[in-house]
Amino acid sequence: AQSVAQPEDQVNVAEGNPLTVKCTYSVSGNPYLFWYVQYPNRGLQFLLKYITGDNLVKGSYGFEAEFNKSQTSFHLKKPSALVSDSALYFCAADNYGQNFVFGPGTRLSVLP
Amino acid sequence: DTAVSQTPKYLVTQMGNDKSIKCEQNLGHDTMYWYKQDSKKFLKIMFSYNNKELIINETVPNRFSPKSPDKAHLNLHINSLELGDSAVYFCASSPGLRSGELFFGEGSRLTVL
Repeated sequence: AQSVAQPEDQVNVAEGNPLTVKCTYSVSGNPYLFWYVQYPNRGLQFLLKYITGDNLVKGSYGFEAEFNKSQTSFHLKKPSALVSDSALYFCAADNYGQNFVFGPGTRLSVLP
Repeated sequence: DTAVSQTPKYLVTQMGNDKSIKCEQNLGHDTMYWYKQDSKKFLKIMFSYNNKELIINETVPNRFSPKSPDKAHLNLHINSLELGDSAVYFCASSPGLRSGELFFGEGSRLTVL
């Protein structure tokens, strides 16, 4: 079965420090991979995607993610965290157009 | 203009009632989805439609019936509501199957008493 894992329920980081939110996937073939952010009582907002090409993709709000095929990972990163980055982050994989499979989410807290 | 809009945003109702949630997208997309987010924030696909045709119907009770009158609309009707149906329901759209990211609505929080 296709699945996406986010091994950390919660990530805490101090403002100004780099952050990483981890994601691994189990999807056959060449998956499309995505990161979304959800603020309280809001819908999910698209951050970035990997489809093909350069393994490092850049997205909104200074976020980037690195696709690693051998490790089946797609970790989200940001060089310098802001308090306003505190939110729930979801990794997702496109299951050959049938649907998007979402990870369980990781709550990021950036402490001032 | 809101790209994907859902109504109502909040819905509180009694067990056994029937209710509907409406979704409209003005992005010109071909594919629309319903997702359910439970209290632990897990997101699960319920249905997807492509050009008004049902593509995915996950293991959802048949009390849930989607209807797509046209490409821009995907409504969700729920019969005989149960306590376990309490969740946030998200509508989403994409340009087509495997064509890019999903665009989400703001969600409809359903509370069944």
